[in-house]
Amino acid sequence: EPEVTQTPSHQVTQMGQEVILRCVPISNHLYFYWYRQILGQKVEFLVSFYNNEISEKSEIFDDQFSVERPDGSNFTLKIRSTKLEDSAMYFCASREIYEQYFGPGTRLTVT
Amino acid sequence: AQSVTQLDSQVPVFEEAPVELRCNYSSSVSVYLFWYVQYPNQGLQLLLKYLSGSTLVESINGFEAEFNKSQTSFHLRKPSVHISDTAEYFCAVSVYAGNNRKLIWGLGTSLAVNP
Repeated sequence: EPEVTQTPSHQVTQMGQEVILRCVPISNHLYFYWYRQILGQKVEFLVSFYNNEISEKSEIFDDQFSVERPDGSNFTLKIRSTKLEDSAMYFCASREIYEQYFGPGTRLTVT
Repeated sequence: AQSVTQLDSQVPVFEEAPVELRCNYSSSVSVYLFWYVQYPNQGLQLLLKYLSGSTLVESINGFEAEFNKSQTSFHLRKPSVHISDTAEYFCAVSVYAGNNRKLIWGLGTSLAVNP
């Protein structure tokens, strides 16, 4: 069964550094998403992406964040200058029609 | 604004007992409703969904949820739980976001099944 994959599974970085989180959505899906989950809190929507552009972004998704689909398979989330409060689990998801399918997540730890 | 409320943050239950995890949503338009499950140290897996049609939907592992439009609820039930059902359960509603859709999430309910 096709699945969404994410790399790395765990990323440790120092405050102020740039990180790129990578996702490979399911191949025939056209809609892509990033969510995050701070430890012990709810899952939060970050951004949705369709037709090579952002559909919607949340207030969390400020100028430090960007998304890109550099080729036909990858979907990346870049955080330009990480802050301590960016430490969280980041989930990528993709959708064909109705339901979103999630990757296993990347745990980002900012020290 | 749309929101999802999961009324119970933690639900402890004994094995083979029935369980209900409550979910209410607020939305003025038609929505798609989902339950996702997150097992310890794993990602989010779709458990079941309501899109249209029959208001009672079932999963392959014995869970069911009933869409109640008048009460704006989508409670999750299982008549007899197993130890392996121990996980975090998230209720979510899919709403329009530009030319796309996004999920609005509840806070989650931690189900702990004890022997």
